[in-house]
Amino acid sequence: TQLLEQSPQFLSIQEGENLTVYCNSSSVFSSLQWYRQEPGEGPVLLVTVVTGGEVKKLKRLTFQFGDARKDSSLHITAAQPGDTGLYLCAGEGGTSYGKLTFGQGTILTVHP
Amino acid sequence: GAGVSQSPSNKVTEKGKDVELRCDPISGHTALYWYRQSLGQGLEFLIYFQGNSAPDKSGLPSDRFSAERTGGSVSTLTIQRTQQEDSAVYLCASSFERGISYEQYFGPGTRLTVT
Repeated sequence: TQLLEQSPQFLSIQEGENLTVYCNSSSVFSSLQWYRQEPGEGPVLLVTVVTGGEVKKLKRLTFQFGDARKDSSLHITAAQPGDTGLYLCAGEGGTSYGKLTFGQGTILTVHP
Repeated sequence: GAGVSQSPSNKVTEKGKDVELRCDPISGHTALYWYRQSLGQGLEFLIYFQGNSAPDKSGLPSDRFSAERTGGSVSTLTIQRTQQEDSAVYLCASSFERGISYEQYFGPGTRLTVT
């Protein structure tokens, strides 16, 4: 069974601060996806990382996939209140059809 | 274009009743997934469809849960004799193979409350 440990579970910061969310596993994943979910809505895909060591940037968000494809991180620079939400990492691997294993999520609150 | 839609958005039912949850995937997406999300938590995989067949039903919690997909499109998740522990948000996602990674697009979910 593949497991993804996501940390921290809760993060409450002031506008303008930086933060990092971690996603760790003992399993190798063929790809890892990051989602953001707002209350009452489904998760929205932010990025997919596929190659070990890969770094992707999406405006103030930087995503990194570990060299061994077992871990990933999401770094947000100068957080804004609009970044508030539930962030989920999800690993794909072990099947041929994209079955995802989700981390427990990080609830981020950015205060103005 | 239209995204994944789910209905109803909210469902309150009495313990012991049956419920049906519907998912309309993005047109052309061959893969469809059902997940369950408990309050503030990550998503728990339930079942995967490729076309109308379900090669992986490993996440269904009990035999009270079943799902079908018709015409390679709409899917229905049925929960029989609902229990209070079935209360959760049920999310549907669809995808098509994209390079070497499946990227899943989620609907807004159905919030099920069993009283």
